[in-house]
Amino acid sequence: NAGVTQTPKFQVLKTGQSMTLQCAQDMNHEYMSWYRQDPGMGLRLIHYSVGAGITDQGEVPNGYNVSRSTTEDFPLRLLSAAPSQTSVYFCASSLYRGNTYEQYFGPGTRLTVT
Amino acid sequence: DQQVKQNSPSLSVQEGRISILNCDYTNSMFDYFLWYKKYPAEGPTFLISISSIKDKNEDGRFTVFLNKSAKHLSLHIVPSQPGDSAVYFCAASGGSGGSNYKLTFGKGTLLTVNP
Repeated sequence: NAGVTQTPKFQVLKTGQSMTLQCAQDMNHEYMSWYRQDPGMGLRLIHYSVGAGITDQGEVPNGYNVSRSTTEDFPLRLLSAAPSQTSVYFCASSLYRGNTYEQYFGPGTRLTVT
Repeated sequence: DQQVKQNSPSLSVQEGRISILNCDYTNSMFDYFLWYKKYPAEGPTFLISISSIKDKNEDGRFTVFLNKSAKHLSLHIVPSQPGDSAVYFCAASGGSGGSNYKLTFGKGTLLTVNP
């Protein structure tokens, strides 16, 4: 059981380039999400999905696209990278436990946009 | 507007003593609270949670206290160990519309436990 995996671990982009951050989970969780972490800002929700074919925007969705064609995969696409998107990106999948969704995070992708 | 606030960016304690990390929230619709621990270059890991219908939850060395009237929660670690040194994030779910799968995070508190 690999849990939540993310690729790549590190990436450097030039302004205007596009790329896709990959996220996969093998726990059969319905709920998946993307966060970004900036210094002194905590984690902010970018997009989330409650199941295959269903996605919605979080707190900071601008400049990012997502799709969810399978339960396992939830890629995050940067359409035209900007320096403001330099951040560490975490993907998470969730198990419903108790009264909330307990989220399991991947190891992160550190992205630098120059 | 920050709905979950961790006002102490850092905390330093001696090994064996108690660590108390604090968190305040403004949204009275939050009904579940979680603490995550994060080591450098790793993703956050779930530590402990508490429902709004409780005022205390304990798991080994970790206890979370919730004061709903003050919109305040705290994480107590007793005794603190050097391996507890990490960034601790407070998070809340619920809020308007009952979105209990969306977490709102605080900015985190860096805990350093000195041997």
